[in-house]
Amino acid sequence: EADIYQTPRYLVIGTGKKITLECSQTMGHDKMYWYQQDPGMELHLIHYSYGVNSTEKGDLSSESTVSRIRTEHFPLTLESARPSHTSQYLCASSEEGFTEAFFGQGTRLTVV
Amino acid sequence: AQSVTQLGSHVSVSEGALVLLRCNYSSSVPPYLFWYVQYPNQGLQLLLKYTTGATLVKGINGFEAEFKKSETSFHLTKPSAHMSDAAEYFCAVTSASKIIFGSGTRLSIRP
Repeated sequence: EADIYQTPRYLVIGTGKKITLECSQTMGHDKMYWYQQDPGMELHLIHYSYGVNSTEKGDLSSESTVSRIRTEHFPLTLESARPSHTSQYLCASSEEGFTEAFFGQGTRLTVV
Repeated sequence: AQSVTQLGSHVSVSEGALVLLRCNYSSSVPPYLFWYVQYPNQGLQLLLKYTTGATLVKGINGFEAEFKKSETSFHLTKPSAHMSDAAEYFCAVTSASKIIFGSGTRLSIRP
């Protein structure tokens, strides 16, 4: 059973606000990922991490930032939210090597 | 570099009919391949995976997929569709440090 949690599940926020999307996993996985998924379904990798103090930008440019101070925690921050940031954000983790990813339930963000 | 192509963004089948969702991959090294399912307002759940060994892989909910190296394919099948199979399905391949997803296929089931 995968144990990866995202909070909040839903968030509606005004333009210009700072927000942090939380992601935690209890599996001790070194690798963690953030994907952005728009209504058209496609998943775009925006950030990933190999482990503590490691963060990398993904394939899709994003104004968000991430940090990895603890193995289990990989929060995503938007300093100033805009309507173009409205999307679903999915967090995932995996073991080292070519293994499958385990996903959280996602955060659906709406910026008004 | 690895990549994944899913043929057909939307597939509709009748309940009880065969389900076939197509996935082709590109990889310069032996690939690890996955199928995930996503129900509305949920994250992705692993259906099945191919790493090495047997090329016919069985997964949850009666799904299976066959790795065909000569065709660079990893198509997902289920002999008899159920209404509960309606969801989005994603094929994926692992790259050196990332998991690369296809664009997804929405499966609809007609009563």
